[in-house]
Amino acid sequence: GIQVEQSPPDLILQEGANSTLRCNFSDSVNNLQWFHQNPWGQLINLFYIPSGTKQNGRLSATTVATERYSLLYISSSQTTDSGVYFCAVEGAGGSYIPTFGRGTSLIVHP
Amino acid sequence: NAGVTQTPKFQVLKTGQSMTLQCAQDMNHNSMYWYRQDPGMGLRLIYYSASEGTTDKGEVPNGYNVSRLNKREFSLRLESAAPSQTSVYFCASSQNILLSGANVLTFGAGSRLTVL
Repeated sequence: GIQVEQSPPDLILQEGANSTLRCNFSDSVNNLQWFHQNPWGQLINLFYIPSGTKQNGRLSATTVATERYSLLYISSSQTTDSGVYFCAVEGAGGSYIPTFGRGTSLIVHP
Repeated sequence: NAGVTQTPKFQVLKTGQSMTLQCAQDMNHNSMYWYRQDPGMGLRLIYYSASEGTTDKGEVPNGYNVSRLNKREFSLRLESAAPSQTSVYFCASSQNILLSGANVLTFGAGSRLTVL
């Protein structure tokens, strides 16, 4: 099946800093989602982004499907951004089942 | 607007005991999923149901059974729990896994299971 790798595995920031999280995938994909898991465990969908760029407040995401990667940008980070960020991809081989990466754990210090 | 509701939130079992995790969604979604989350492993798919009346194995189905009771409900059963099944279990739903572009996942709050 499709392989999904996220980097870095861990990230520690000071409040106000910017960061870029990366998601690489091993095969063609139909779609890609980014999720945030807060410290209480709740998973929230941030972006549904098969290609191109989307922005939502301080967060934006870019997927370059032809080069098999996606980036999640967090600007002016806040302590509430802490948690784990996952990307999930739907392979283009006929199955639309989302496959998750192992996540990037982000801690934002005040 | 409840979204996806899972019960119970916490459960402790002894090895060999059985239990069922319940999941219900109120978004009229066709597709439902059970994932498990272990430290450093991301989310791994146990079973999914593309639509009412169908279920299929995911990446890690051994030791589990599922039932798609109706369009709203999708339960996960552990027939004889093992310590390796200690994990956090998430139920999710999406509009339709059979259609590209209709697969935005909505998750429940999770169920933390410990098997002693």
